[in-house]
Amino acid sequence: DAKTTQPNSMESNEEEPVHLPCNHSTISGTDYIHWYRQLPSQGPEYVIHGLTSNVNNRMASLAIAEDRKSSTLILHRATLRDAAVYYCILTILRDDKIIFGKGTRLHILP
Amino acid sequence: NAGVTQTPKFRILKIGQSMTLQCTQDMNHNYMYWYRQDPGMGLKLIYYSVGAGITDKGEVPNGYNVSRSTTEDFPLRLELAAPSQTSVYFCASGEGRAGSEAFFGQGTRLTVV
Repeated sequence: DAKTTQPNSMESNEEEPVHLPCNHSTISGTDYIHWYRQLPSQGPEYVIHGLTSNVNNRMASLAIAEDRKSSTLILHRATLRDAAVYYCILTILRDDKIIFGKGTRLHILP
Repeated sequence: NAGVTQTPKFRILKIGQSMTLQCTQDMNHNYMYWYRQDPGMGLKLIYYSVGAGITDKGEVPNGYNVSRSTTEDFPLRLELAAPSQTSVYFCASGEGRAGSEAFFGQGTRLTVV
């Protein structure tokens, strides 16, 4: 199974941009890159996903490396409410499962 | 907008007791999933289903059973509760296409004493 590698934790100051990295060196051509986040005491929620091109939505941006072996989730202006665990996941066309890794715990400093 | 609904929200079980965690979704999703999350850890997939009548094991299926008789419901059964099953359980549903998102319930916090 294709796996992802993320830093265990990161810190950022409030109202500054945050770049959360993810390595997925064994990604296949049809694997999508998904990001979910889990706020304290809540279930995970979808943030963004992409295949090859960079993606933007109201929550974040996803920058995908040209070789697709890494990606970066960008929160343009972090708030205290963005403090959460962020999971980078590959969803695989030939596999029905969604497997979570350990994620990155993001701390936002006021 | 109900989405994915899990009941109960909290439960305390004694060792050896049985219980069923309920999960229902109103989005007509074919794919449904059960996860457990131990304190400070990530989510582990217990079982999943790609449609009514079809279930399959995930990463940590031992001690659990599931059934999928309808598209909407995906109950998780614990037959003989053990302290190691103390965890928060999350149910999720999705369209199942590789580029689609999954929707999660708010979780059931289970303590086995």
